[in-house]
Amino acid sequence: QSVLTQPPSVSGAPGQRVTISCTGSSSNIGAGYDVHWYQQLPGTAPKLIYGKSNRPSGVPDRFSGSKSGTSASLAITGLQAEDEADYYCQSYDSTVSGSVFGGGTKLTVL
Amino acid sequence: QLQLQESGPGLVKPSETLSLTCTVSGGSISGSTYYWGWIRQPPGKGLEWIGSIYYSGSAYYNPSLKSRVTISVDTSKNQFSLKLSSVTAADTAVYYCARSSWAGLAAPFDYWGQGTLVTVSS
Repeated sequence: QSVLTQPPSVSGAPGQRVTISCTGSSSNIGAGYDVHWYQQLPGTAPKLIYGKSNRPSGVPDRFSGSKSGTSASLAITGLQAEDEADYYCQSYDSTVSGSVFGGGTKLTVL
Repeated sequence: QLQLQESGPGLVKPSETLSLTCTVSGGSISGSTYYWGWIRQPPGKGLEWIGSIYYSGSAYYNPSLKSRVTISVDTSKNQFSLKLSSVTAADTAVYYCARSSWAGLAAPFDYWGQGTLVTVSS
């Protein structure tokens, strides 16, 4: 059971917009801590695609993050086949006194 | 370009100690304003933060693993290491080393090693 809750799967057709939610609590997202997002392609290490409210160099602006209350979301617009991957959210939790991850969401491009 | 590489045994017996080393190249651990961390991923499952360390040796651990984990740093070799004691099959996972983008536990991990699979089995 992850501290941050993500839907197990989402899907969308090429060109569409999809969002992946990340629900936390008052000890993490709700306390104002940043939420970071990773993309993990099969058999590879996670790659930071959105961290501390911005995208690392080289990450398309089709990826954007937002946060409200105890939840955060990753939006992907203009969906492409190459976006098919697992996505994880991460934040800091004051109860854990450390980093926590969501359980991951598998994005399928139809 | 910063690179991280995990190394260590791929097979560990139950009740023994898992030991991994992360070698950093393309940058120095010493005096850096980053934390260096370990994250693991059981087969088919999600990511779990194990702990992080600063170059000075200050280490922070996931409470769920704290009693079994030690993370250390060797600045002379530009390496940091993970030891996990009394392992069971539940510790079978791909273990990643990574760098936090600033010296804080709320920071994202911006550089990752390729990961190494450690299997716990007799």
